[in-house]
Amino acid sequence: GAVVSQHPSRVICKSGTSVKIECRSLDFQATTMFWYRQFPKQSLMLMATSNEGSKATYEQGVEKDKFLINHASLTLSTLTVTSAHPEDSSFYICSARDGGQGMNTEAFFGQGTRLTVV
Amino acid sequence: SQQGEEDPQALSIQEGENATMNCSYKTSINNLQWYRQNSGRGLVHLILIRSNEREKHSGRLRVTLDTSKKSSSLLITASRAADTASYFCATEIMDSNYQLIWGAGTKLIIKP
Repeated sequence: GAVVSQHPSRVICKSGTSVKIECRSLDFQATTMFWYRQFPKQSLMLMATSNEGSKATYEQGVEKDKFLINHASLTLSTLTVTSAHPEDSSFYICSARDGGQGMNTEAFFGQGTRLTVV
Repeated sequence: SQQGEEDPQALSIQEGENATMNCSYKTSINNLQWYRQNSGRGLVHLILIRSNEREKHSGRLRVTLDTSKKSSSLLITASRAADTASYFCATEIMDSNYQLIWGAGTKLIIKP
């Protein structure tokens, strides 16, 4: 099956710094990528939908200036957590859809990034 | 946002028994998908069932879909310890730019 690579898998950063998380589709073109946040023992919370070459669509309550999303190519989307605070500590997951397959196809997920802000 | 509700929230059974998880949703869908997540990892796709399908099988997995009741079930037969994970249903709603709406998940524990 298709592979989505998310990097890094774990990161610890100091409060006030920025962290960039990368999500790459390795063997298909992902016209749409999704960024999720997952709290312990909870479901996925969609943060934003990222379309290649255009601005991301953020869900209500997600700060655009804090969670910067860039989808500059069909195989790469990045999420940058700016001026990180301890409350940003969480598990972040990206997923991608193969743009050539249309609807009724599965989403492929990265391995997730465990962010800890100290 | 979540439109799916799953039950039970947690399920603990003996190895070899069957496990059934249920998912309900609220709006019209293109398809419903089931995913598995091991602790601290990404999600793995299990089965996708389209809105015009009623049942689908994949190995030890059986998924049903009842669009009149807006519900789905995932059955894992002859469970194994390695099936221990969280299971999520997700619906692709119409005109949604492929966005998935997630259920709360079921934590399945298989006791050896």
